[in-house]
Amino acid sequence: DTEVTQTPKHLVMGMTNKKSLKCEQHMGHRAMYWYKQKAKKPPELMFVYSYEKLSINESVPSRFSPECPNSSLLNLHLHALQPEDSALYLCASSQGPRVNQETQYFGPGTRLLVL
Amino acid sequence: AQSVAQPEDQVNVAEGNPLTVKCTYSVSGNPYLFWYVQYPNRGLQFLLKYITGDNLVKGSYGFEAEFNKSQTSFHLKKPSALVSDSALYFCAVRANMDSSYKLIFGSGTRLLVRP
Repeated sequence: DTEVTQTPKHLVMGMTNKKSLKCEQHMGHRAMYWYKQKAKKPPELMFVYSYEKLSINESVPSRFSPECPNSSLLNLHLHALQPEDSALYLCASSQGPRVNQETQYFGPGTRLLVL
Repeated sequence: AQSVAQPEDQVNVAEGNPLTVKCTYSVSGNPYLFWYVQYPNRGLQFLLKYITGDNLVKGSYGFEAEFNKSQTSFHLKKPSALVSDSALYFCAVRANMDSSYKLIFGSGTRLLVRP
């Protein structure tokens, strides 16, 4: 089973709202990722958690706040977003950083619209 | 610097004909190479990867890819295309000397298989 689940599927929020995206995997993977994808473009890495610790932050604005409560869950807290933040937000996971652990499996994404 | 190039924005092929989606890469050291497919409004699905060993890699849904070190290429192929193969395809690379989890994605190639 290589399933990564994400909720909600769609989200509409105003620029003053606070919302959260949720990602879950039960494959025992120890690395989890958040990506942002604009239409017809490749995914852009935002954050990486490794063994529940933030490993990479790709200079993402502070209005995006990641959280990894446990090894199966990854959240992305959103606050005071801008319309240009509207995109598909993808979560992914991989076993770990070593050779043959690095294949990333993606969830279906949350389509976010900021009004 | 690591990079991936997918020189074709779109590839058109008739159902039943062979297809090729091109990918070239630039990394320091030996690469880890991946192909992902994305259907409309969905996340990325892992198709196949090359880490080491046989240059011809077989993956999901009848796809295969050939690693060519001298040409720094990793083209995706399928002997007989299906209409259902129509989707957006991404090539990605991670340098094996890179201790981070980052994948570098190409710009994507839209495959259109006509009946």
